[in-house]
Amino acid sequence: QSVLTQPPSVSGAPGQRVTISCTGSSSNIGAGYDVHWYQQLPGRAPKLLIYVNTNRPSGVPDRFSGSKSGTSASLAISGLQAEDEADYYCQSYDSSLSGVFGTGTKVTVL
Amino acid sequence: EVQLVESGGGLVQPGGSLRLSCAASGFTFSSYAMSWVRQAPGKGLDWVSAISGSGGRTYYADSVKGRFTISRDNSKNTLYLRMNSLRAEDTAVYYCAKEDTAMSGAFDIWGQGTMVIVSS
Repeated sequence: QSVLTQPPSVSGAPGQRVTISCTGSSSNIGAGYDVHWYQQLPGRAPKLLIYVNTNRPSGVPDRFSGSKSGTSASLAISGLQAEDEADYYCQSYDSSLSGVFGTGTKVTVL
Repeated sequence: EVQLVESGGGLVQPGGSLRLSCAASGFTFSSYAMSWVRQAPGKGLDWVSAISGSGGRTYYADSVKGRFTISRDNSKNTLYLRMNSLRAEDTAVYYCAKEDTAMSGAFDIWGQGTMVIVSS
């Protein structure tokens, strides 16, 4: 199964903007499959944060935004807050219709 | 309230079997594809298997193909994962997740997870 590559960690001070990249290939993101993002707080189940590349489910603050281009996608968090400290995962599908997750990124608020 | 509740996890010896269940409520279960996603201790999310709303189509990660079987009983609003020939590397928290077709297959609802430990 293909894997989506994310940086292991990113950090920023409160109020700053951080971005998380998600790099795929021509068999997943580059094949046109949409990208979704999840937030996982310590000890909790993942929660859907962004769906279909850029859309926020009801209740997700507009500080979170997503984008997609070519074989990659990005998640941006603006106005970083202490409560944003968590693990973040991108997710897509590959040509065999198998789900594929990113390697995960830990966001630390300094 | 839309909810998924997993059960059936536990300690099993290598080579053993286990069946996980995921009870769904608050939505029309048969209308949605469902997936199992696992997370080994301290590791990232790992997609395991998926099944269509009718149960007619199933998909598996290469790492579990031939050992795990996903199924569902729409009359009971329950998803299952039968795990055979378990290995130490199958040790993980197993989550069931609802796929939303309108969201292009995003996992919009997750259960709380059930822990599977494969050890002698």
